Amino acid sequence: DQQVKQNSPSLSVQEGRISILNCDYTNSMFDYFLWYKKYPAEGPTFLISISSIKDKNEDGRFTVFLNKSAKHLSLHIVPSQPGDSAVYFCAAPQTGANNLFFGTGTRLTVIP
Amino acid sequence: DTGVSQDPRHKITKRGQNVTFRCDPISEHNRLYWYRQTLGQGPEFLTYFQNEAQLEKSRLLSDRFSAERPKGSFSTLEIQRTEQGDSAMYLCASSPTGPWGEQFFGPGTRLTVL
Repeated sequence: DQQVKQNSPSLSVQEGRISILNCDYTNSMFDYFLWYKKYPAEGPTFLISISSIKDKNEDGRFTVFLNKSAKHLSLHIVPSQPGDSAVYFCAAPQTGANNLFFGTGTRLTVIP
Repeated sequence: DTGVSQDPRHKITKRGQNVTFRCDPISEHNRLYWYRQTLGQGPEFLTYFQNEAQLEKSRLLSDRFSAERPKGSFSTLEIQRTEQGDSAMYLCASSPTGPWGEQFFGPGTRLTVL
């Protein structure tokens, strides 16, 4: 059972425009969410997180929005840059445990 | 470089052989995790250590898999009698004790079973 879902396997955006990556979850007990970015031949690197007590967290060009009632979160990147081209994973820690549940990822391509 | 390191980066083996991977976490991190990632999927949790104690294991971790962290520092993941379905990227991550925070991932070991 996929508890964290990313339904868009890929996204292409022009440089300078906004990239919006979406993530849905099924477990209402999740109280913390993370976004990771992964380049080829590298491990995932942490990008930004949000606690369930917030609905928005911003860090530079990256903003994560959380809609708890819809069990949906999104990552906004603005302005998008070619170096942002990577696979982005949404993740949430298992309640009462220490492992992360990951989505299947969205491959972002920023076109110069 | 003080990040998480993994060795080897690539491993090609024949079906039925045993393989062992090593992970060196960030030195001050006492939590260590192993994940497996296959093509088109996100990382899937395998097992978790707090210091030298293996506290959690996924149902994905069959009897052919064993992980150790003997001194609470580096960890090894061994796969016995490898099968073609074991072909994947094996990722190690570490994190410090405390309220939930990010896990820091290594570059992974890509295993190909022929």
